[in-house]
Amino acid sequence: NAGVTQTPKFRVLKTGQSMTLLCAQDMNHEYMYWYRQDPGMGLRLIHYSVGEGTTAKGEVPDGYNVSRLKKQNFLLGLESAAPSQTSVYFCASRPQGTVANTEAFFGQGTRLTVV
Amino acid sequence: TQLLEQSPQFLSIQEGENLTVYCNSSSVFSSLQWYRQEPGEGPVLLVTVVTGGEVKKLKRLTFQFGDARKDSSLHITAAQPGDTGLYLCAGAPKYSGGGADGLTFGKGTHLIIQP
Repeated sequence: NAGVTQTPKFRVLKTGQSMTLLCAQDMNHEYMYWYRQDPGMGLRLIHYSVGEGTTAKGEVPDGYNVSRLKKQNFLLGLESAAPSQTSVYFCASRPQGTVANTEAFFGQGTRLTVV
Repeated sequence: TQLLEQSPQFLSIQEGENLTVYCNSSSVFSSLQWYRQEPGEGPVLLVTVVTGGEVKKLKRLTFQFGDARKDSSLHITAAQPGDTGLYLCAGAPKYSGGGADGLTFGKGTHLIIQP
C-alpha cells in the first residue's frame, strides 16, 4: 500500500537546468496537488489538478509547469531552474469531494537544491 | 489570498506540561484541518473541524474551531516527547470552487517536548 510516491527524493540542479518531479498515487484519487515548503513560509500551492487532463494554477505557479496525462500521475516540471526554486516539494492527493469530507495524503517530499 | 497566522512559531517545553497552539485568520473558512509533520516526511492529517464552535478530541489533543470559523486552537495535555514535531493548520476557503481547491497553510509551530 504505497499511497503517494514522489521521485526523486533528492536532487541538485545547476541554474538553468531542467527537470521533472514525478508524483504517483495508487488510491484512485481525483485531485492532486503540488506544494513547496520553505523555512518560515509554510506550504504554498504551486499547481493542482481536479482530474486526468486538467490542471490549474495555485498561489505560486511561476517557473513551473504540470501535466496529468494519467489519473495516477502528476508531473511537475522546471524548465529553467533558478536558485529561488530551492525548496522541498510535496505532492498530495485526495478523493473527489470537499475538504471537510475527505482526507489528503502527502508524499515524503523531494528536496531540490539549485546552485 | 486568505492567510492563516500560527502562534507561537517555536515552543519548547518539558514533558508533562500543557500547551496551546493558535491558528488565526481574518477570513472565514468552510473547514480547518490540523496536520503533524515529522522531519523528512510529509504532513499527516490529525483532524478536520467544520462547524463553528466545534471541539474534537484525539487522545491528549483537543482541537477547537472558533464560533466565527476564523480561528482554531490545538491544546495538548501532559505533553510527551512523541508529540515533538511541526504542527500545521490548513484551511479550505469558504467559497472553494467545488471543493477541489488546494489548502491554505499556516507557517507552522515547531514543538519540542523535552524528556
